[in-house]
Amino acid sequence: GNSVTQMEGPVTLSEEAFLTINCTYTATGYPSLFWYVQYPGEGLQLLLKATKADDKGSNKGFEATYRKETTSFHLEKGSVQVSDSAVYFCALVNSGNTPLVFGKGTRLSVIA
Amino acid sequence: GAGVSQSPSNKVTEKGKDVELRCDPISGHTALYWYRQSLGQGLEFLIYFQGNSAPDKSGLPSDRFSAERTGGSVSTLTIQRTQQEDSAVYLCASSSGQVREAFFGQGTRLTVV
Repeated sequence: GNSVTQMEGPVTLSEEAFLTINCTYTATGYPSLFWYVQYPGEGLQLLLKATKADDKGSNKGFEATYRKETTSFHLEKGSVQVSDSAVYFCALVNSGNTPLVFGKGTRLSVIA
Repeated sequence: GAGVSQSPSNKVTEKGKDVELRCDPISGHTALYWYRQSLGQGLEFLIYFQGNSAPDKSGLPSDRFSAERTGGSVSTLTIQRTQQEDSAVYLCASSSGQVREAFFGQGTRLTVV
């Protein structure tokens, strides 16, 4: 079946540090891949997406590249800010009657 | 509508009572999902609808949980004989199209006392 594995948190970084949150997936075919973010006290919102191999999704300084050969979709940001503190979820959806599948989430804390 | 709407936003109920949680998806979205998020935890998948049918009910934790969707639109999640461990935020999402990116509602915070 389809599954997503992302690195366990929490991750604590100083402001302006480089961020990587690893995400790997298992799926047949060519799923679409997503990163969702949940800021404190808020609902989930889509951060970025990629729909085919080698696509790069980007938003708010975050980037992730769909790597078919390594079945990965790692989230990166060159310089984090305190306002990036949130929980980040990697997710995939495959074709057909299959649900959206989430990883367990990674909590990021950025300190000034 | 403009976004996914869930009601109520907060619900406090006594142990043993039944509750109904409602989700209004984005108009035209064919897929609808229910998830549960306990305090500080990840997302627990409950059920997925495609139109009015539920191809995947595998996440429903017990037979006290049921869900339906009518007219390919509104969905109701019902929890019978609530228990304290049912306390969580219940999230609904909808999606459509080939990419199927999901849009989430703000959730219903359920507290069983």
